[in-house]
Amino acid sequence: KQEVTQIPAALSVPEGENLVLNCSFTDSAIYNLQWFRQDPGKGLTSLLLIQSSQREQTSGRLNASLDKSSGRSTLYIAASQPGDSATYLCALEGGTSYGKLTFGQGTILTVHP
Amino acid sequence: GAGVSQSPSNKVTEKGKDVELRCDPISGHTALYWYRQSLGQGLEFLIYFQGNSAPDKSGLPSDRFSAERTGGSVSTLTIQRTQQEDSAVYLCASTPGAAPRGETQYFGPGTRLLVL
Repeated sequence: KQEVTQIPAALSVPEGENLVLNCSFTDSAIYNLQWFRQDPGKGLTSLLLIQSSQREQTSGRLNASLDKSSGRSTLYIAASQPGDSATYLCALEGGTSYGKLTFGQGTILTVHP
Repeated sequence: GAGVSQSPSNKVTEKGKDVELRCDPISGHTALYWYRQSLGQGLEFLIYFQGNSAPDKSGLPSDRFSAERTGGSVSTLTIQRTQQEDSAVYLCASTPGAAPRGETQYFGPGTRLLVL
């Protein structure tokens, strides 16, 4: 059974810092990995999707990397802003054909002015 | 266009009562997923619909849980004889494709269920 772990569970940083969120998984037979953002009381918003054949994806200040062999992914946020405060979740799509996701527990990020 | 909507946004019920949670996916999306987010358990898959069929119900925690989808659109998740451990946020997501592997899932805001 796939196990997904996110470290740290919570992170508080001052505005402007660059930061890294970590995601590790036990089964490297994945189809893709996605990073989501969840704001309080809201649903999930997809940030980046990395196919298993890719090493990284970038969108604006966000960069996600994937190393299947070591079972790790990182989400790098550059020049953090208070608006980045949210819970960040990584999710894996495994061997099924229909997109079932397995989620980590999330990292709660607080960026203070 | 409109995103995934869920109703009610919050539901408080007494232990033993039945509840129905509704999901309206994005128009035209053929795949629909239910997930549950609870403290200590994280976000867990419950059931997947392709059209009106549910090829995978493996995440439903017990036979008190059931779901249906009609007209290839609206889905209802029903919990019978609710228990306190059913308290969680129930999230619905949809994707456009008939073969949704690799597609971005669009999530609704969730229904927050509290069983007293």
